[in-house]
Amino acid sequence: QVQLVQSGAEVKKPGASVKVSCKTSGYTFTGNYMHWVRQAPGQGLEWMGWINPNSGDTNYAQKFQGRVTMTRDTSISTAYMELSGLRSDDTAVYYCARGWELNWFDPWGQGTLVTVSS
Amino acid sequence: DIQMTQSPSSLSASVGDRVTITCRASQTIISYLNWYQQKPGKAPKLLIYAASSFQGGVPSRFSGSGSGTDFTLTISSLQPEDFATYYCQQSYSTPYTFGQGTKLEIK
Repeated sequence: QVQLVQSGAEVKKPGASVKVSCKTSGYTFTGNYMHWVRQAPGQGLEWMGWINPNSGDTNYAQKFQGRVTMTRDTSISTAYMELSGLRSDDTAVYYCARGWELNWFDPWGQGTLVTVSS
Repeated sequence: DIQMTQSPSSLSASVGDRVTITCRASQTIISYLNWYQQKPGKAPKLLIYAASSFQGGVPSRFSGSGSGTDFTLTISSLQPEDFATYYCQQSYSTPYTFGQGTKLEIK
């Protein structure tokens, strides 16, 4: 079955960077975009951007432009999201999610909690 | 950016009730509207895509309708496992945006 398994929780200091991985299995990794969505504690969902695993092309939400980098390693069917210049309001659960042709997301990874604290 | 507004923000209902959640977009999104269910501590789960298409494995008591700017998610007969938070999401244009969520609680 299709699985997206994310890396474990991280604790970072303000100004640092974090890189979250999303290892996929059960489907052709290069066949679907991978999206990243985050959710601050007790808050709603916020789309961050997508990567086309086939070409490496990316599309980032303007809010994160200059701070986010999405990459992939097709040899191990894994997508990555790196966020730099971390602030306390970047504390959130970060999800990867497989995208479909009209940009709905299914399935989602289990989430990775990133805590930014001094 | 397209703003998505859900109503109500929270809702108390009983098992067996019929429940409707609405989602309004700030501009037309045709039928590029998706619904997700999220339970505490879990990732969102896709229920409905393209406004009214069922995701495989989703019970038939869930249905979606609407086009343009106004959409609804209906649960025809609430079951205990349906108590969760529901989000709409527009996939018409980036940045893809979500509604603020509707928390469905047991009365």
